[in-house]
Amino acid sequence: EAQVTQNPRYLITVTGKKLTVTCSQNMNHEYMSWYRQDPGLGLRQIYYSMNVEVTDKGDVPEGYKVSRKEKRNFPLILESPSPNQTSLYFCASRGSGQTNEQFFGPGTRLTVL
Amino acid sequence: DQQVKQNSPSLSVQEGRISILNCDYTNSMFDYFLWYKKYPAEGPTFLISISSIKDKNEDGRFTVFLNKSAKHLSLHIVPSQPGDSAVYFCAARTGTASKLTFGTGTRLQVTL
Repeated sequence: EAQVTQNPRYLITVTGKKLTVTCSQNMNHEYMSWYRQDPGLGLRQIYYSMNVEVTDKGDVPEGYKVSRKEKRNFPLILESPSPNQTSLYFCASRGSGQTNEQFFGPGTRLTVL
Repeated sequence: DQQVKQNSPSLSVQEGRISILNCDYTNSMFDYFLWYKKYPAEGPTFLISISSIKDKNEDGRFTVFLNKSAKHLSLHIVPSQPGDSAVYFCAARTGTASKLTFGTGTRLQVTL
């Protein structure tokens, strides 16, 4: 089954404790992205990657890091989480081609105390 | 600066009637528009899209209309069904860019 998976689905942590949210897709997609969803703000892009070892900032990259060492994986790293990073996070991927839509993972709800 | 706006946070429609969800954008460089549907505890799923060279795209009960001069698009659902109750996000993209710019979403409730 074609899918985007994220782990963990739920995470409660404390300020300053480094964490990684994993994302994996099995569709051989070139593009992968991370979004966060906040009430009243919709989904905002954090980082995206056009292919292996190619990443770039989205609209709200501060406080986040990403890496793309393999095509299928695109982890999101919070080196020193803060309460304003409490949010719902989505990973997405899409193939090349203008009309290809993005496929989203199920989301990771992160709470930073 | 919200480049994609969905000014109605919620909409309630009776089953069988038409649902019309609206979206406005400000960036004239957007040339591809998408609608996503999101159920609670799930990721958004793609619903329908339209290229800026078209003014209408239809897929079953779902039709998207694009008015480039007004920078406005709308999603029509006819007839509306209870299973359509979800949050609908409008999104826009420029060229083949990976970045999608999303609106804030409209929560649709279809009542019996």
